[in-house]
Amino acid sequence: EPEVTQTPSHQVTQMGQEVILRCVPISNHLYFYWYRQILGQKVEFLVSFYNNEISEKSEIFDDQFSVERPDGSNFTLKIRSTKLEDSAMYFCASSDPSGRGEQFFGPGTRLTVL
Amino acid sequence: GENVEQHPSTLSVQEGDSAVIKCTYSDSASNYFPWYKQELGKRPQLIIDIRSNVGEKKDQRIAVTLNKTAKHFSLHITETQPEDSAVYFCAASIGAGNMLTFGGGTRLMVKP
Repeated sequence: EPEVTQTPSHQVTQMGQEVILRCVPISNHLYFYWYRQILGQKVEFLVSFYNNEISEKSEIFDDQFSVERPDGSNFTLKIRSTKLEDSAMYFCASSDPSGRGEQFFGPGTRLTVL
Repeated sequence: GENVEQHPSTLSVQEGDSAVIKCTYSDSASNYFPWYKQELGKRPQLIIDIRSNVGEKKDQRIAVTLNKTAKHFSLHITETQPEDSAVYFCAASIGAGNMLTFGGGTRLMVKP
């Protein structure tokens, strides 16, 4: 069964550094999402992406964040200048709009900002 | 925007008992309500979902009910097993392609 994949599984960075988190959505899916989960807390929506543009974003998704689909398979989240409070698990998800709309999550990237 | 509240935050049951987790939502436009199971350090896994044109849905030991008038929906797990132990999240969305708003999660512990 196809799954969403993410790399790296764990990223450690210094405050102020840029990080890029990578995702490969399920191949026939057209909607892509990023969510984050601070340790022990609920999953929070960051951004959704469809037809090569952002379709929704939350208040968390400020100017420090950007998303890109650089090619036909990858979907990336960039954080330009990381802060301590960006430490969290970042999940990518994808959904097929012609299906039931279920969102399938990747395994996550644990980002630790020191 | 949408707000989803989930109760209880922790639930401990004996193996074989039933477990019920309840969620309320605020946006009457929401029409899709999935439930995710998350084991420690793993991805949220979709276990069941319901849409607003249906009042109840069942899949083996798991069932979900929806009351659109009262804006609440519940997850029912019967004959619980130790492997059901995990954190369960409810969520709501206005439809396919739209963001999910998650509840705060319920840590379910099934004691053998």
